[in-house]
Amino acid sequence: EAGVTQFPSHSVIEKGQTVTLRCDPISGHDNLYWYRRVMGKEIKFLLHFVKESKQDESGMPNNRFLAERTGGTYSTLKVQPAELEDSGVYFCASSQAGRVGEKLFFGSGTQLSVL
Amino acid sequence: GQQLNQSPQSMFIQEGEDVSMNCTSSSIFNTWLWYKQDPGEGPVLLIALYKAGELTSNGRLTAQFGITRKDSFLNISASIPSDVGIYFCAGSGAGSYQLTFGKGTKLSVIP
Repeated sequence: EAGVTQFPSHSVIEKGQTVTLRCDPISGHDNLYWYRRVMGKEIKFLLHFVKESKQDESGMPNNRFLAERTGGTYSTLKVQPAELEDSGVYFCASSQAGRVGEKLFFGSGTQLSVL
Repeated sequence: GQQLNQSPQSMFIQEGEDVSMNCTSSSIFNTWLWYKQDPGEGPVLLIALYKAGELTSNGRLTAQFGITRKDSFLNISASIPSDVGIYFCAGSGAGSYQLTFGKGTKLSVIP
């Protein structure tokens, strides 16, 4: 069974540019999450999809971040325009319905560097 | 928002030693989770705790959900080199699927 796949693994962009991160969850997983870890800080929740619907987007930093999950399959997270403070590792995770954290699988992350 | 204080921040131990790390919160959590992250990978769930007072083991790992629901600890017994990595605690409140993470404990094992 394939795990959660994230692309790209690394992205280096200049301030003001646009970047789109992609996440392919495990097949059949309705729940999809985005988290972010800024250097030296804790991993922070960004948002939660159930199928194609945004269940909770309370962690999105501002309106420069846009997440979509068309058709309830893969998800994209777009940052436009990128700022220096957006640098960090962006993790995607997916799970089937169940208790919190249960069978929650994380991808390897996208390391975003904004210069 | 909710915050978790995880300690220690880093540890250097000899192979074979036992390790203990913990997390505390000012808020009550209904779920406590412990993850390990290897370099270049995402966090992997080690132990999940869903009831106050619960003590759960997974091989050489043991974790407990504090009675007050505001703390949890993780013990690793007889450490081995492959235990090296960053360990994160995470918690979730009632009715929420959102996880709050600690800052992590970086573990180094000296052979």
